[in-house]
Amino acid sequence: DTAVSQTPKYLVTQMGNDKSIKCEQNLGHDTMYWYKQDSKKFLKIMFSYNNKELIINETVPNRFSPKSPDKAHLNLHINSLELGDSAVYFCASRRGDLGRNTEAFFGQGTRLTVV
Amino acid sequence: DAKTTQPPSMDCAEGRAANLPCNHSTISGNEYVYWYRQIHSQGPQYIIHGLKNNETNEMASLIITEDRKSSTLILPHATLRDTAVYYCIVPDNYGQNFVFGPGTRLSVLP
Repeated sequence: DTAVSQTPKYLVTQMGNDKSIKCEQNLGHDTMYWYKQDSKKFLKIMFSYNNKELIINETVPNRFSPKSPDKAHLNLHINSLELGDSAVYFCASRRGDLGRNTEAFFGQGTRLTVV
Repeated sequence: DAKTTQPPSMDCAEGRAANLPCNHSTISGNEYVYWYRQIHSQGPQYIIHGLKNNETNEMASLIITEDRKSSTLILPHATLRDTAVYYCIVPDNYGQNFVFGPGTRLSVLP
């Protein structure tokens, strides 16, 4: 069973569209994340979400919004897609109640291409 | 910004030990050091983490200096499949956020 799963794996869409990427974890974790990896291969954290507390990386445009219907899911919704949004997006989860001594698990990524 | 520094690249012969260094001179007493790797564009894979004692698991060993300002990840018998970018991370925001730097690109050569 995949611990952190993302759908879709690939997404090609036109500029200006609105799209969502779904993330689900079956680990019972209470903290989830979204990361963006651009063409230069730098992995940058976008959001962390813990017990309904959202921590936003201030460099993320407000066209990006995470939505958590329940503790096992953190979806990423993107409005008015731009060419620069093309990247690989990774979801991750972690058990946050044990403090610093727990690792994060990552999904296999969603490759978003905006044309 | 990441709180660690690593060499940008390293080579290692297949079957030999790969020793990947990391400096984290500003680490505080209760912060852990984590190591991840990323093969091609797959999701980052957890390897190992530690606080101050040396750690070993089925993938690697982690040696942390006594002053905790640096550490070394050891892959005891590197294989071609270990070719990847290796990240040393000291999580931010009270240990909540895993902030990735550029990492070390390890090439295992036949």
